[in-house]
Amino acid sequence: RKEVEQDPGPFNVPEGATVAFNCTYSNSASQSFFWYRQDCRKEPKLLMSVYSSGNEDGRFTAQLNRASQYISLLIRDSKLSDSATYLCVVNVLGNEKLTFGTGTRLTIIP
Amino acid sequence: DADVTQTPRNRITKTGKRIMLECSQTKGHDRMYWYRQDPGLGLRLIYYSFDVKDINKGEISDGYSVSRQAQAKFSLSLESAIPNQTALYFCATSAMDRGFNQPQHFGDGTRLSIL
Repeated sequence: RKEVEQDPGPFNVPEGATVAFNCTYSNSASQSFFWYRQDCRKEPKLLMSVYSSGNEDGRFTAQLNRASQYISLLIRDSKLSDSATYLCVVNVLGNEKLTFGTGTRLTIIP
Repeated sequence: DADVTQTPRNRITKTGKRIMLECSQTKGHDRMYWYRQDPGLGLRLIYYSFDVKDINKGEISDGYSVSRQAQAKFSLSLESAIPNQTALYFCATSAMDRGFNQPQHFGDGTRLSIL
């Protein structure tokens, strides 16, 4: 089983819709969680950290479910500019490295 | 100016050549990383460094070497390039905060093609 798994998509969603995707992780000692966004042929950029209590940043909401070992990202009122690949990133306690998922590709359709 | 700068941005070279990719940062971070990204495989860690002269292998270090002679610089070398090293390469930096790994910040990437 991969350490971090994501549905690769693609998710094709009409503009204005709400879209959500999950990421599962295998190591229960995982402690830090992040969502990154990557545009085609560009570098990954931090979208948001994921906190135990869940957190929101504008149209974006991240949730952590430790019992089921997944994190989620919800995008409301999607914009064309939200089209990108979204990477789930996990850090295991005591592990010095971050583990990246392979990403979920999202396309917002006009 | 970018906080994490990679040079070159693009490189095409021949099999067997030695290639060096440079990364420099102005963020003051101790930790630096080199990744490669291939379609469908995501980001894979090649080497990482937590301080000057500290070198650690990642999951795919064979065929690569690195050098960290200064806090702000971390270079990646391909000793004898082969076609399956064709990929998009990223440098990243991060800091620790109260024992937790903070998010990594990436350079713009180097697109490397080995013919």
